[in-house]
Amino acid sequence: DSGVTQTPKHLITATGQRVTLRCSPRSGDLSVYWYQQSLDQGLQFLIQYYNGEERAKGNILERFSAQQFPDLHSELNLSSLELGDSALYFCASSVATRGGPDTQYFGPGTRLTVL
Amino acid sequence: DAKTTQPTSMDCAEGRAANLPCNHSTISGNEYVYWYRQIHSQGPQYIIHGLKNNETNEMASLIITEDRKSSTLILPHATLRDTAVYYCIVRGYYNQGGKLIFGQGTELSVKP
Repeated sequence: DSGVTQTPKHLITATGQRVTLRCSPRSGDLSVYWYQQSLDQGLQFLIQYYNGEERAKGNILERFSAQQFPDLHSELNLSSLELGDSALYFCASSVATRGGPDTQYFGPGTRLTVL
Repeated sequence: DAKTTQPTSMDCAEGRAANLPCNHSTISGNEYVYWYRQIHSQGPQYIIHGLKNNETNEMASLIITEDRKSSTLILPHATLRDTAVYYCIVRGYYNQGGKLIFGQGTELSVKP
């Protein structure tokens, strides 16, 4: 158990719909990362938040957005869903302070199926 | 972050040591070597990381060559539960964190 929690574990929805994935980081971790894993793309970085502020963006679609709340949990919002958005979505967290290498710990993931 | 090259797949007999190689010939002086693994569709699991010295923890050992252009992850006594995809990632030290870039990894099959 990494200490990172994600809900829900599974999500089945229809095209055009909107869903919200939730992530709670490990206690003390300030940074949250979102990754997408689809069969044809592998694990891809989407976005990072550090202490409530967006820190880095990767291959995140405009239909997707995220935020990190004052209690440091994060939500990933996916809208106008398409079949190709079906994937595993992982959240990771890290301490991300200055002074040394930064290790990310991953949650169990949310499996999204768009029908 | 430097690019890494790993074999696509490897087999290992249960109880034997699994040695997983990784080439990172363009690594720079301040970049670390990280290893993660992913069992089936679970979240990637951190294994170990190092800069230039060999490292060991309860899960594995990491051997980095003197020129730092390659490394080997060693699972000393592989079990069936070590069957997974193993990712070697090279990344620098960032203030306030930084993304991980995953390649295709090595699919390790531990066989009875």
